[in-house]
Amino acid sequence: AQSVTQPDIHITVSEGASLELRCNYSYGATPYLFWYVQSPGQGLQLLLKYFSGDTLVQGIKGFEAEFKRSQSSFNLRKPSVHWSDAAEYFCAVGAGNTPLVFGKGTRLSVIA
Amino acid sequence: KAGVTQTPRYLIKTRGQQVTLSCSPISGHRSVSWYQQTPGQGLQFLFEYFSETQRNKGNFPGRFSGRQFSNSRSEMNVSTLELGDSALYLCASSSTGLISYEQYFGPGTRLTVT
Repeated sequence: AQSVTQPDIHITVSEGASLELRCNYSYGATPYLFWYVQSPGQGLQLLLKYFSGDTLVQGIKGFEAEFKRSQSSFNLRKPSVHWSDAAEYFCAVGAGNTPLVFGKGTRLSVIA
Repeated sequence: KAGVTQTPRYLIKTRGQQVTLSCSPISGHRSVSWYQQTPGQGLQFLFEYFSETQRNKGNFPGRFSGRQFSNSRSEMNVSTLELGDSALYLCASSSTGLISYEQYFGPGTRLTVT
């Protein structure tokens, strides 16, 4: 069965510092990969997606992610974090008509 | 284009009651999925409707049901509420016929069962 692992439950970074959130997946076929962000009391907003092609994908709000098939990873990065990036981040995987499987999420705190 | 809307945003019910939640997808989107989000279990898929037909179903008891109307609006119903049903219920719509293409989420309905 497919699964998604986000190893870090909570990460704290300083404003202006770089960020990397980890995501590993287990999937039988070539999956579609997504990163979503959720602010408190809100729904999920799509940050970026990977379907095929270039393994480095750019998203909104200055985020990017790199698909590494050999490592079954899809890590999210941002070169300089802003206080407004504090939120919960979810990695998700799916394919075709199968429901998305989400990781448990990583909560990001940003300190001055 | 208006986003996915969900009503009501907040709901308090008593154990044993039933509840109906509503979701209006983005105009033109025909696929609507429902998720339950809790601190312990995270995001769990409930079911997905496409063109008024349930196309996928998650591993939830039969107390959880849903339907989709011809205008793609969807409702989910939970009967005989239990304390453990307290959660944020999220609806997501997709523009393509493939569920795993990018989904757009609504703000959710926060259900509290007392």
